[in-house]
Amino acid sequence: NAGVTQTPKFRILKIGQSMTLQCAQDMNHNYMYWYRQDPGMGLKLIYYSVGAGITDKGEVPNGYNVSRSTTEDFPLRLELAAPSQTSVYFCASSYSGQGANEKLFFGSGTQLSVL
Amino acid sequence: EDKVVQSPLSLVVHEGDTVTLNCSYEVTNFRSLLWYKQEKKAPTFLFMLTSSGIEKKSGRLSSILDKKELSSILNITATQTGDSAIYLCAGFTSGTYKYIFGTGTRLKVLA
Repeated sequence: NAGVTQTPKFRILKIGQSMTLQCAQDMNHNYMYWYRQDPGMGLKLIYYSVGAGITDKGEVPNGYNVSRSTTEDFPLRLELAAPSQTSVYFCASSYSGQGANEKLFFGSGTQLSVL
Repeated sequence: EDKVVQSPLSLVVHEGDTVTLNCSYEVTNFRSLLWYKQEKKAPTFLFMLTSSGIEKKSGRLSSILDKKELSSILNITATQTGDSAIYLCAGFTSGTYKYIFGTGTRLKVLA
């Protein structure tokens, strides 16, 4: 059981480039989330999805886009990368929000640098 | 606006000490509070608390939720160097299904 899989693990972008961070889960989870973590800080929510075809903004959505065409996949798109997007990105998922299923499972993270 | 505040921001102790980490929350439609430990990379799950006053325990770690005070504490007894990490708490809201994280407490345990 792979859990939440993120790719790539590391990436260096030049200012203005675009890229997609991939996230896939094989636990049949309804809810998926993208967080960013800046050095010494907690996790800030970028976008989230409560099911295929449904996405919503979090605290810091500017400069990012998402889609959720399947239950398994939740890619994060960076358009016109900026140095302020240098961060560690985590994808996470959870089941239905009922009882013990509220446990949030994390991917291993993507270290992104924009130079 | 929903928010979660953790204190202290950082803490340095010696092996064998007992530490208490604090988490307060203001979360609309609050449903549960979760604690995570983050070492090198991804956070790992410690506890989920939904009912007030019921302590959850795992080895030397324990946690309790106080819904009246909108807070939770995480206790670590007989600390070890392997407990050095960032400890994150998050409030889950059943209204929007979001997990709101605090900034974390950075714990360093000296040998």
